[in-house]
Amino acid sequence: DAGVIQSPRHEVTEMGQEVTLRCKPISGHNSLFWYRQTMMRGLELLIYFNNNVPIDDSGMPEDRFSAKMPNASFSTLKIQPSEPRDSAVYFCASLAGGQETQYFGPGTRLLVL
Amino acid sequence: SQQGEEDPQALSIQEGENATMNCSYKTSINNLQWYRQNSGRGLVHLILIRSNEREKHSGRLRVTLDTSKKSSSLLITASRAADTASYFCATDLGKFYFGSGTKLNVKP
Repeated sequence: DAGVIQSPRHEVTEMGQEVTLRCKPISGHNSLFWYRQTMMRGLELLIYFNNNVPIDDSGMPEDRFSAKMPNASFSTLKIQPSEPRDSAVYFCASLAGGQETQYFGPGTRLLVL
Repeated sequence: SQQGEEDPQALSIQEGENATMNCSYKTSINNLQWYRQNSGRGLVHLILIRSNEREKHSGRLRVTLDTSKKSSSLLITASRAADTASYFCATDLGKFYFGSGTKLNVKP
């Protein structure tokens, strides 16, 4: 199994631009999580899906952030417009039904100038 | 916050020594997990301990859980340079809350 796949691995953009981060969970996993990691705030859960349905988006910082999961094998996290304070590493993780261990992707390192 | 908090924030030891990291949390949990993160990588699951367990072993790892004190500890015995990483505890309350991590440096 290829594990959780995230793209791009690195993204540099200018303030005000739209950023789209992508995630492919492990096949057969039915829960997907988006996290943001910064030095100041640590690892924060932004949103998670179960069977493609958003269950809890209380961690999404503001309306500039949106996430979708159109099918079981793909999810996106979009930031529009991006701001310098959005600079962070964004992780996607997936979890199989009935299991308790999350599998993390390698992360997308986002820098907003 | 319901996040776990690790202590110490940073730990530097010599290869062969034992490393102990602690985690405190605030609410009742279903289970507590420890993850490792190597620099520039995603988190990797190490071990899970359930709320009705007090101690668990996996190779050189030993985890304890004290639900009365809402705390857990991770012991890595006979540390190796390859153990250099950040270690996080995560509490499972239906969704996961990660602590701020302990950065472990094992000097060869």
